[in-house]
Amino acid sequence: DADVTQTPRNRITKTGKRIMLECSQTKGHDRMYWYRQDPGLGLQLIYYSFDVKDINKGEISDGYSVSRQAQAKFSLSLESAIPNQTALYFCATSSGTDYYNEQFFGPGTRLTVL
Amino acid sequence: AQKVTQAQTEISVVEKEDVTLDCVYETRDTTYYLFWYKQPPSGELVFLIRRNSFDEQNEISGRYSWNFQKSTSSFNFTITASQVVDSAVYFCALSEVGGSEKLVFGKGTKLTVNP
Repeated sequence: DADVTQTPRNRITKTGKRIMLECSQTKGHDRMYWYRQDPGLGLQLIYYSFDVKDINKGEISDGYSVSRQAQAKFSLSLESAIPNQTALYFCATSSGTDYYNEQFFGPGTRLTVL
Repeated sequence: AQKVTQAQTEISVVEKEDVTLDCVYETRDTTYYLFWYKQPPSGELVFLIRRNSFDEQNEISGRYSWNFQKSTSSFNFTITASQVVDSAVYFCALSEVGGSEKLVFGKGTKLTVNP
């Protein structure tokens, strides 16, 4: 089984709808991240969490919120989706103690907002 | 601020050609980490290599090799004898030390290997 899973893998929704993307990990890592990938722009950080009680905004947090329900779960919500939030969303985890600060990525969620 | 530049937006080669993907980074940190990821058309990110700022040894893994040069702030990636399966978008990334310790990604280079 994959160490970092994301659900759903694909989602089409309409403008104004609330949507939640979920991320679960079995790596036992404390740190979790949400990134967004737009075509030609690489990945940008939306939110990150170093533990259940520590949640921080990234570069592009406007229009998003997150919830860290447990060490293993980190959800990203779009309260009122808009078309320019159409993108590929990645969740990532890291231990915080790894020498390389290596992050482990989920398979991605492809979100389309009509 | 940290920045990663991949100046080559798209590269197209014929199978068996060698190809080098360029990556130039900017950071004020003396300790940092560099990564390369491959993103095939299916969309997932595949980890290829990591390197810390104190280790300038070049690395070879099969047909892949990496050239890390701190003097020019570059971490270039070469594929020898390219194959169609190498077609993908390749990302170079820099790990921030302290703060969020996020990964700062370049915009990626789309490599197309034609048969």
